Amino acid sequence: AQSVTQLGSHVSVSEGALVLLRCNYSSSVPPYLFWYVQYPNQGLQLLLKYTTGATLVKGINGFEAEFKKSETSFHLTKPSAHMSDAAEYFCALAGGNEKLTFGTGTRLTIIP
Amino acid sequence: DAMVIQNPRYQVTQFGKPVTLSCSQTLNHNVMYWYQQKSSQAPKLLFHYYDKDFNNEADTPDNFQSRRPNTSFCFLDIRSPGLGDAAMYLCATSRDGLSDPTDTQYFGPGTRLTVL
Repeated sequence: AQSVTQLGSHVSVSEGALVLLRCNYSSSVPPYLFWYVQYPNQGLQLLLKYTTGATLVKGINGFEAEFKKSETSFHLTKPSAHMSDAAEYFCALAGGNEKLTFGTGTRLTIIP
Repeated sequence: DAMVIQNPRYQVTQFGKPVTLSCSQTLNHNVMYWYQQKSSQAPKLLFHYYDKDFNNEADTPDNFQSRRPNTSFCFLDIRSPGLGDAAMYLCATSRDGLSDPTDTQYFGPGTRLTVL
């Protein structure tokens, strides 16, 4: 069975502060892990993904995530938040069955 | 250039009146997915096609049907929409079902369905 847990349904950070969105996973096979961002009334846009190899993955808009197998985590970070980062963020896992398993999402609010 | 296109972006229908949502893709991907997303929730997979093979999720209501007449197009038919079917409907594609590291699931912009 596969599952994705996102800790914190709402996260607020000040503009310029570090962004940290948490994602833990459970998978019976080596997972492919994804972070997607969704702006209001839009589809999901891929931020970054981990498949194999280097565990620190860099994505678009200055985001990065680190795959930690020992902690079954794939947390998303950005050193300095920008107002345009306000959105919903979804962590997802692909475990070999053609489908994505999504976390419940984290709404990121940026405080001016 | 748009890769996964959904039309219309906003659709209003009446309770019980059949409605069809459209998705097309320019990626020539083998797999097409339909998701339902309600407010402040994660997308919920309704079904997907791997080429012509249809795969229904066990908890997808019979009210929801899909057609894939060719590689590029996929349709979502809601036979008798209820108020509970009001949601964002997302179409997505992947080349080969995320079976290799280079594959990714790409999403369209969604169709927001309102049921009156």
